[in-house]
Amino acid sequence: EAGVAQSPRYKIIEKRQSVAFWCNPISGHATLYWYQQILGQGPKLLIQFQNNGVVDDSQLPKDRFSAERLKGVDSTLKIQPAKLEDSAVYLCASSLAGTGGWQPQHFGDGTRLSIL
Amino acid sequence: SQKIEQNSEALNIQEGKTATLTCNYTNYSPAYLQWYRQDPGRGPVFLLLIRENEKEKRKERLKVTFDTTLKQSLFHITASQPADSATYLCALSPMYSGGGADGLTFGKGTHLIIQP
Repeated sequence: EAGVAQSPRYKIIEKRQSVAFWCNPISGHATLYWYQQILGQGPKLLIQFQNNGVVDDSQLPKDRFSAERLKGVDSTLKIQPAKLEDSAVYLCASSLAGTGGWQPQHFGDGTRLSIL
Repeated sequence: SQKIEQNSEALNIQEGKTATLTCNYTNYSPAYLQWYRQDPGRGPVFLLLIRENEKEKRKERLKVTFDTTLKQSLFHITASQPADSATYLCALSPMYSGGGADGLTFGKGTHLIIQP
């Protein structure tokens, strides 16, 4: 089966600019997650979608980050305006319908964001 | 606050030996514990999952133990090979609450190097 697709792979912007990342999950996976991974750290959950509804966005910096999942498939994550501390890899993951942490999550290879 | 600790320094193991990685956690009562492998520039890849009421899980050369009393999981790779060199991430997930939130909380990971 095709894996989780993310684009772009790399993005360089200046602080205060805006940026958007795109994710296409594995076909049939109802649950989609966005994680932020800062260099040397483990991934940190930003937001979880179940179909096209938000299940958990408690760690999403809502003053600058937004995300949507239209039609319950693809998702976009946006940062506006970007800060230096947003430099990280943004990972998208998907899993079968969220029924607890007993399902493995399938990750894309991420978008590496550098803020100048 | 919830805390997950993994060996912060790189672990060097001779090829053919058993590599043992440690994951300790505090202020958390996970229902499930998952282990992922991450190669440079790639997203995490799921390896094994163990439930809170399981003591041990095996898959080929991999073995995971889970001790909820000690709040610790051990991850073993037997007959290690240079191709096993990667960063290994421990991740915890809570009991399903009915709300659907099952995002993972990751440790920083342990960088494993298998020397020929």
